[in-house]
Amino acid sequence: DGGITQSPKYLFRKEGQNVTLSCEQNLNHDAMYWYRQDPGQGLRLIYYSQIVNDFQKGDIAEGYSVSREKKESFPLTVTSAQKNPTAFYLCASSNQPTRNTEAFFGQGTRLTVV
Amino acid sequence: ILNVEQSPQSLHVQEGDSTNFTCSFPSSNFYALHWYRWETAKSPEALFVMTLNGDEKKKGRISATLNTKEGYSYLYIKGSQPEDSATYLCASEYGNKLVFGAGTILRVKS
Repeated sequence: DGGITQSPKYLFRKEGQNVTLSCEQNLNHDAMYWYRQDPGQGLRLIYYSQIVNDFQKGDIAEGYSVSREKKESFPLTVTSAQKNPTAFYLCASSNQPTRNTEAFFGQGTRLTVV
Repeated sequence: ILNVEQSPQSLHVQEGDSTNFTCSFPSSNFYALHWYRWETAKSPEALFVMTLNGDEKKKGRISATLNTKEGYSYLYIKGSQPEDSATYLCASEYGNKLVFGAGTILRVKS
């Protein structure tokens, strides 16, 4: 089955700790994205990558880091510098070029800082 | 930061009612407009991707229109069913970025 897998589904982190969210896709998509959702708000773009070994900051990249060493994988690290990390995180992927091509989403990771 | 707006924020309708939502987006540097349906405990799934001014797309009881000159898209659901209950997201594509609105939550009562 082709798709996007995010893990874990739920994650608890102590303040001051870094944590890494996993996103893997077997759709052979070039582009991958990380979004954050807070209550009452839309999906906000954290980082995106159009090709292996390249990525760009989205609208709310501060306190986050990513890597794209393999086409299938785009892990997101939430660092201790992220002031308000408790949120729902969604990973997505799409073909290149993105125009007229739908995005496919994982099931999300809910991160809670305790 | 590009701003995509959706209205209404939420909607409660009776089974069989027809309904529609609006998505407004900046029309400059526009590439494409996406609509997604996001059911509880599932991943968002694409409904439509539209690029051309005047585009109309249809999938069963759901259809969408696009006006790129004035920067808006409408999503229509004819004869709403309880299984249509979901959050409907629109996203506007600018270069390599997909910018999402906050979504419209639809609840259909049987």
